[in-house]
Parts: sequence; C-alpha cells; structure tokens
Amino acid sequence: AQSVTQLDSQVPVFEEAPVELRCNYSSSVSVYLFWYVQYPNQGLQLLLKYLSGSTLVKGINGFEAEFNKSQTSFHLRKPSVHISDTAEYFCAVSPSGTYKYIFGTGTRLKVLA
Amino acid sequence: TAGITQAPTSQILAAGRSMTLRCTQDMRHNAMYWYRQDLGLGLRLIHYSNTAGTTGKGEVPDGYSVSRANTDDFPLTLASAVPSQTSVYFCASSDPGQMLNEQFFGPGTRLTVL
Repeated sequence: AQSVTQLDSQVPVFEEAPVELRCNYSSSVSVYLFWYVQYPNQGLQLLLKYLSGSTLVKGINGFEAEFNKSQTSFHLRKPSVHISDTAEYFCAVSPSGTYKYIFGTGTRLKVLA
Repeated sequence: TAGITQAPTSQILAAGRSMTLRCTQDMRHNAMYWYRQDLGLGLRLIHYSNTAGTTGKGEVPDGYSVSRANTDDFPLTLASAVPSQTSVYFCASSDPGQMLNEQFFGPGTRLTVL
C-alpha cells in the first residue's frame, strides 16, 4: 500500500521569501509523484509531476520539486513567493501504470505582505 | 476545451432526500473519480471507474453509488443524504493510456445536508 504525508498543515511566509512544502511518501513499488494547487473555491490544478528522469522537476508559477528516492521525499520549493501563491497545496502519488492516486492531507500556504 | 464540468455548483439538501451530482468530461479519458474534500482530511476517494461499464469502491463509499454508462459521464448519487455527507465533492479524470498520468479536476460541488 502507499501513503503520503504532508507534515505541515499550515505554512505562513512573508512575500518574496523562499518556501519549502514537505512531502514524504511510502510505497513498495515505483510511483509517479505530483503536486497540485487549489486556490480558494476552485478545483485542483497540476503544478508539476515526476514520472522519471531528472529528479529536479520544474512546474508552473516558478515552483520546483526534487524527487529523493532514498529519503522518499518530494518537497516543493519556490525561491520567492507572491501573495497570489496563497493556496492549498496537495502532494499525491500514483503507482506506476495504475489508475490509483493517493493524496496527502494538504498544506495551506499563506503569504503575508 | 471545457475539460470537466460539474453540476450543480452548490446545493442545500434536506436529510433523507436523494440527490445526483453530475460530472461530464470531454477529454475521452478512460478513468474517472469522485472525491470528497473535508477540512483536515484532504481528498478521500469515494468511487472510481477505470473504463466505461466498470466501477469500483474507494476509501469512503458508504452512502454513495455511481454508474458509468459511457466514457463522458460519471454521476454520483446519494440515495438518502445525511449531515455527515456535507462536503465539497470533486470529480476527476485521467488516462495513463494517453500518457496523461495526472488527474484533471472539475470545479467542485459544495453540498450542505441539513
């Protein structure tokens, strides 16, 4: 079975500061990894995904994530956040080649002026 | 391209009443999903369908039923609503066969059961 842990339920950060949102997973099989963003009163949008290849993945809006197989982590980073990045961020895994997805409980990023 | 549409956007429902949440996609994805989102619990899978004509139970299926008569539509039915079904419901689709491994989400339906 697979599981996803997002330890931080809320992360406040000042505008233009860097941010890291943590995601750890467990799985006995190879997985694909995803980060989604949910703006208030909207559905989830894909930020970035890791399927294979380079472990550093760049996504939309200046976000990037690094896949670390030994630490089973897929942390999301942005060097300088904006007020508009205020949203909830979800990490998800999918066992390779399946239709199954497992989501973390989400991290609410609040960017302060 | 519309992607995934859901209806209604929001609904207040009396306990004991039935309701069907509609979901339609225009991307010809094989797989479709229903999630509920509750504060502090993230997204929990209710039911899924890997292809038209087949459905399966997710993590929290009790009190819900689905059907998948064709590729595009995946309605979710609450036969007799209870207050604990108050939530935001999201429909999603994916198609690993099209090398689209990520899920695409609809805008959600906010349901309040009184």
